[in-house]
Amino acid sequence: GAVVSQHPSRVICKSGTSVKIECRSLDFQATTMFWYRQFPKQSLMLMATSNEGSKATYEQGVEKDKFLINHASLTLSTLTVTSAHPEDSSFYICSASQGRRDQPQHFGDGTRLSIL
Amino acid sequence: ELKVEQNPLFLSMQEGKNYTIYCNYSTTSDRLYWYRQDPGKSLESLFVLLSNGAVKQEGRLMASLDTKARLSTLHITAAVHDLSATYFCAVDEYTGNQFYFGTGTSLTVIP
Repeated sequence: GAVVSQHPSRVICKSGTSVKIECRSLDFQATTMFWYRQFPKQSLMLMATSNEGSKATYEQGVEKDKFLINHASLTLSTLTVTSAHPEDSSFYICSASQGRRDQPQHFGDGTRLSIL
Repeated sequence: ELKVEQNPLFLSMQEGKNYTIYCNYSTTSDRLYWYRQDPGKSLESLFVLLSNGAVKQEGRLMASLDTKARLSTLHITAAVHDLSATYFCAVDEYTGNQFYFGTGTSLTVIP
């Protein structure tokens, strides 16, 4: 089956640090990748959709300068949380698809980000 | 803003019993997704419902969509412990490019 690798699985760092999270599709070409955020004990939100070779589309309320998304190849998308602060602490999940949102999505294992 | 409400929020049920989780949403949409999340883990896609009247089944889970009532259901048949997880619905309102998750339903199946 389709495998998506998300890395790292856990990050703990000091306030002001920038953190990069990688999402790789290992055995298929992902034209579209999605980034989600889950606050502790809360529901999820879609942050942005990235298509290979073009700028990411951010959902309403998501700061594009804070959450930089790059999708430079058909197998790799990255999310960089710039100058992270404690309120950015969350569980971040990526998924990869070969098309639109209504196409099968394959999820990474998530990255738990804790900012001290 | 699109609102997506799930009921119940918490559900404890005995093995072998049936139950239904409800997902109500506030806008016109014919795209509804169901996901499963195990504690501390990522998401798993369960069902994609793309039209009014769509019904999909996988094992003990069956999902349906009624776009006129703006309602989707996830029915659990003869629950087993392995189904214990949190279940999320999500509504894709693509004309306005909105995508919102429900609040989640935490299911515990008791042996």
